[in-house]
Amino acid sequence: QQQVKQSPQSLIVQKGGISIINCAYENTAFDYFPWYQQFPGKGPALLIAIRPDVSEKKEGRFTISFNKSAKQFSLHIMDSQPGDSATYFCAASKGGGATNKLIFGTGTLLAVQP
Amino acid sequence: GAGVSQSPRYKVTKRGQDVALRCDPISGHVSLYWYRQALGQGPEFLTYFNYEAQQDKSGLPNDRFSAERPEGSISTLTIQRTEQRDSAMYRCASSPRPGQGGGTGELFFGEGSRLTVL
Repeated sequence: QQQVKQSPQSLIVQKGGISIINCAYENTAFDYFPWYQQFPGKGPALLIAIRPDVSEKKEGRFTISFNKSAKQFSLHIMDSQPGDSATYFCAASKGGGATNKLIFGTGTLLAVQP
Repeated sequence: GAGVSQSPRYKVTKRGQDVALRCDPISGHVSLYWYRQALGQGPEFLTYFNYEAQQDKSGLPNDRFSAERPEGSISTLTIQRTEQRDSAMYRCASSPRPGQGGGTGELFFGEGSRLTVL
């Protein structure tokens, strides 16, 4: 049962371009939506997160857009850099931001070409 | 070290053997989580602890899997009578706050233990 669907599976972007990764969820009880970044050989690390009371959150070059009615959220990476090349996972949980059970998407492998 | 430490990093075992995977969380972190990550997939929740209490084990695939955290710090994930389908990366994560009641929601993951069952 895949409760969080992520696309695309892989993405190639030129340096300076915009990377966009999309996720859709099914459970309307989810109320916390983080994005994790994973470099080869490392564990995932929190990048940015949003709660459903706002439609957008921006931290530097990274922005989450959230559409509650469509049950969708997306990660936008502006001015993409080769150092952003990594696997990105969206996730969701319920319980006011509690981390007791994050449901992860399948991941997007991003390659930023110089 | 400052991060979540897991051992062994790599484990190759024969089908039917038992394995124990160890996780040493960040000092002072209250919650500890076990996830399993298949190649090309996202982490899949297995179980988690607040202090020494196992709060949720609904993600454990079957009764061959068990976990403990007896003193509220180091945790061990044990897989009995391993099968080839158990082959995966097993990741531990910790959080400074209890798993219920809010907080930043950030999980700090270790580098994982890669299990291969022959």
